[in-house]
Amino acid sequence: KNQVEQSPQSLIILEGKNCTLQCNYTVSPFSNLRWYKQDTGRGPVSLTIMTFSENTKSNGRYTATLDADTKQSSLHITASQLSDSASYICVVVHFGNEKLTFGTGTRLTIIP
Amino acid sequence: GAVVSQHPSWVICKSGTSVKIECRSLDFQATTMFWYRQFPKQSLMLMATSNEGSKATYEQGVEKDKFLINHASLTLSTLTVTSAHPEDSSFYICSARRPTLSYNEQFFGPGTRLTVL
Repeated sequence: KNQVEQSPQSLIILEGKNCTLQCNYTVSPFSNLRWYKQDTGRGPVSLTIMTFSENTKSNGRYTATLDADTKQSSLHITASQLSDSASYICVVVHFGNEKLTFGTGTRLTIIP
Repeated sequence: GAVVSQHPSWVICKSGTSVKIECRSLDFQATTMFWYRQFPKQSLMLMATSNEGSKATYEQGVEKDKFLINHASLTLSTLTVTSAHPEDSSFYICSARRPTLSYNEQFFGPGTRLTVL
């Protein structure tokens, strides 16, 4: 069964600190992996998209990594800001039917 | 990134009434749009795939007669919740697919909060 698991479920860190969110998946065959940021009461916004051949991708203070062999991904946030408080969702796309499998998300709270 | 809008952003209705939600891709044409539902503290659940000019494809367990989808143009898909009941209260999110060279990217709308009294 295609699944995406994220950890931790929730995380609280001080403003200015770094953090890393984890994503493990079993989706196969794999097309690409996406990280989204979802603010409360809003739709998800894309942060990064990585295909099979990409190991790392950055978008400002966000850096995503992908290990397709171990089927793991991480999202590293540098110098966190209060506006980073949101849910971060890992999504894996199935190759062929292009179906999206969503992780349950990590709820990140940045405190001043 | 591309822009997808939804209208209304929130709606409150009485039980038994029907509610229509619009999803528009503002700066690209989308032959395929998707409708999701999200309950509190849960992830998005795909309800149906909306294809321009043809019938929508519904996920297992989603009643097609209750959630009517119309994709009448390349920039507009609508979801009508018919005879809404309190258990239909949820956050409804649409997305529009835009092909790139290496994959199809989905852009999500801001969501519509439906509350059925």
